[in-house]
Amino acid sequence: KQEVTQIPAALSVPEGENLVLNCSFTDSAIYNLQWFRQDPGKGLTSLLLIQSSQREQTSGRLNASLDKSSGRSTLYIAASQPGDSATYLCVTAGNNRKLIWGLGTSLAVNP
Amino acid sequence: GAVVSQHPSWVICKSGTSVKIECRSLDFQATTMFWYRQFPKQSLMLMATSNEGSKATYEQGVEKDKFLINHASLTLSTLTVTSAHPEDSSFYICSAKKTGISYEQYFGPGTRLTVT
Repeated sequence: KQEVTQIPAALSVPEGENLVLNCSFTDSAIYNLQWFRQDPGKGLTSLLLIQSSQREQTSGRLNASLDKSSGRSTLYIAASQPGDSATYLCVTAGNNRKLIWGLGTSLAVNP
Repeated sequence: GAVVSQHPSWVICKSGTSVKIECRSLDFQATTMFWYRQFPKQSLMLMATSNEGSKATYEQGVEKDKFLINHASLTLSTLTVTSAHPEDSSFYICSAKKTGISYEQYFGPGTRLTVT
């Protein structure tokens, strides 16, 4: 049974810092892995999707990597801004396409 | 684009009443929609998979008679919480998958349900 763990659970950094959010998963037989952003009391915004055959994806200041063999993914945020404050969710899709969600990392970027 | 809307965005109802939540795919057809529930500080949990024109498939532990799902068209799925109780208070999020071979899900903004 797939389990997705995100570390740290919460993170507070000053504006401008580069930071890394970690996601680990127990079953490496995934179809893809996706990172979402969730603002308090709101829905989900898809940030990056990495197919199982890919190693990384980049979008603006965001870079996500995937290492299936070790069951790890990282989300790198460069030059963080207060507007980046949100909860970041990691989710895997298995070969049955079922989504398994992590609990998220709550990020606060302080001006 | 692939926009999914939900209505209402938040609702307060009294215990024992029923509440209907709508999920619409605005610019694409969605044969399959999904309903998730998220309790505070917990991860999203899939409740059911809704297929247009057929019965929904419920996850283990989700009462199908309490959470009624209707997917009557390719752009609309509804979730009705019947005889709501305070423990049903949660954040309900739907997602939709484009008709075809794509497996990517597009998420709605969520509905905050509070049962008093």
